[in-house]
Amino acid sequence: GAVVSQHPSWVICKSGTSVKIECRSLDFQATTMFWYRQFPKQSLMLMATSNEGSKATYEQGVEKDKFLINHASLTLSTLTVTSAHPEDSSFYICSSRARDTQYFGPGTRLTVL
Amino acid sequence: AQKVTQAQTEISVVEKEDVTLDCVYETRDTTYYLFWYKQPPSGELVFLIRRNSFDEQNEISGRYSWNFQKSTSSFNFTITASQVVDSAVYFCALSEARPLNSNSGYALNFGKGTSLLVTP
Repeated sequence: GAVVSQHPSWVICKSGTSVKIECRSLDFQATTMFWYRQFPKQSLMLMATSNEGSKATYEQGVEKDKFLINHASLTLSTLTVTSAHPEDSSFYICSSRARDTQYFGPGTRLTVL
Repeated sequence: AQKVTQAQTEISVVEKEDVTLDCVYETRDTTYYLFWYKQPPSGELVFLIRRNSFDEQNEISGRYSWNFQKSTSSFNFTITASQVVDSAVYFCALSEARPLNSNSGYALNFGKGTSLLVTP
C-alpha cells in the first residue's frame, strides 16, 4: 500500500492559538487528499477535500475560515486550525487517494486547553 | 446519498472463535467501491480490502474473508480463528467510483464501526 505521514502525532495548545497539521504522501503523488475528524468512540467524518493547486472543498457545517487547508504540492496538504477552542479537540486524520484506494496517515490528536 | 450501517457496536469473542462483522450499505450510484479498515488502539487506519461494485466474487486473505452480496447490499467481514491482535475497531466504508461533480465524491462514507474484543 501507499505510505502517508502526518505531523505532529499529537499537540496540546492553549485556547486561541493556531495549530498546523501536515499530511504527506511519501511514495506517490496525490492530487486529492482528504481531511477527516474523529471524536472519541465515534466514526470518521469528512471535513474537506484538498485539491492540489486549487481551493479545498468543505463539507456542510465545517467553517472554512477556521479550518484552513492548503495543498501546495502533489505530496503535501496542511490543515490549520485557527483560534482553536476546547471543542476543536479531536483526532484529525488525513488520507491520500492512490489507485482507487484511500490510505490514511497515523492521525494527529489535538487537545485544546 | 450514501449510507453505511454497521449494526454491531461491540463484539466480544474468545480467541480461536470465528467472528463475522456485518455491513449494510445504501447508494444510488451504479458504480461504487466498498472498503474495510481496521483501527487498532494506536488510532491509525489500516486498509484491509477494496471491492468494486461490479465484482461480487468473495475474497479470502489468510484468516480474513469477505462476502459481498449486491442483492442484499451487504459486505460482511469474517475473521476465522480470531486472535488477540485482531482486537480493534473495524470500519466499513463506501465511496463513489466515478464522481460526476467533484473529487469529494471519492471521499469515504464510514459506518459507525464495530469494536471487536478478542480475549485469550
